[in-house]
Amino acid sequence: GQQVMQIPQYQHVQEGEDFTTYCNSSTTLSNIQWYKQRPGGHPVFLIQLVKSGEVKKQKRLTFQFGEAKKNSSLHITATQTTDVGTYFCAGPKAGSYQLTFGKGTKLSVIP
Amino acid sequence: GAGVSQSPSNKVTEKGKDVELRCDPISGHTALYWYRQRLGQGLEFLIYFQGNSAPDKSGLPSDRFSAERTGESVSTLTIQRTQQEDSAVYLCASSLLGGGYGYTFGSGTRLTVV
Repeated sequence: GQQVMQIPQYQHVQEGEDFTTYCNSSTTLSNIQWYKQRPGGHPVFLIQLVKSGEVKKQKRLTFQFGEAKKNSSLHITATQTTDVGTYFCAGPKAGSYQLTFGKGTKLSVIP
Repeated sequence: GAGVSQSPSNKVTEKGKDVELRCDPISGHTALYWYRQRLGQGLEFLIYFQGNSAPDKSGLPSDRFSAERTGESVSTLTIQRTQQEDSAVYLCASSLLGGGYGYTFGSGTRLTVV
């Protein structure tokens, strides 16, 4: 079945450093979504990418969707302590709106 | 309501007992999903409801798990004869179909089986 893999599993950065998490799908995706889960919280939708090679920015966050629509990345510039949490990518199962989530990248920011 | 509401927020139950978890989706969201998240782990798909279509139950881990949804409204997830490995946070989400708005998750029900 469809698999969505994320690396790294954990990342510790000094405040102000950049951070990137990578997502790879075993199948071509119609779209990819990113979610953030703060410690003790629930996942919150960040963004959806649909087009091959698409790049979207939200302030210090940059999201990319690969040309083959099988991989994606999230890059955070100059991390802040408010960026702490686990970032999940998710892709829909073919022909469905059901999402398969990656295992997430847990980001810790050292002040 | 303004968000997805789940109840109870916490549930402690004895092994072997049945539990029922409730989810109130956002009004107008035709799709509703249940996921399970074990401590420090990712989200495991359980079941998906879309309008009046037959639900996708492919993620339910055993026949002890079942779920129902009344129209496009409330859903209940029932776990019979609970086991310790059922301990997890059960997350409900709802969404519009298409539109790029993603899922809106509830705050979850933390289930502890003792």
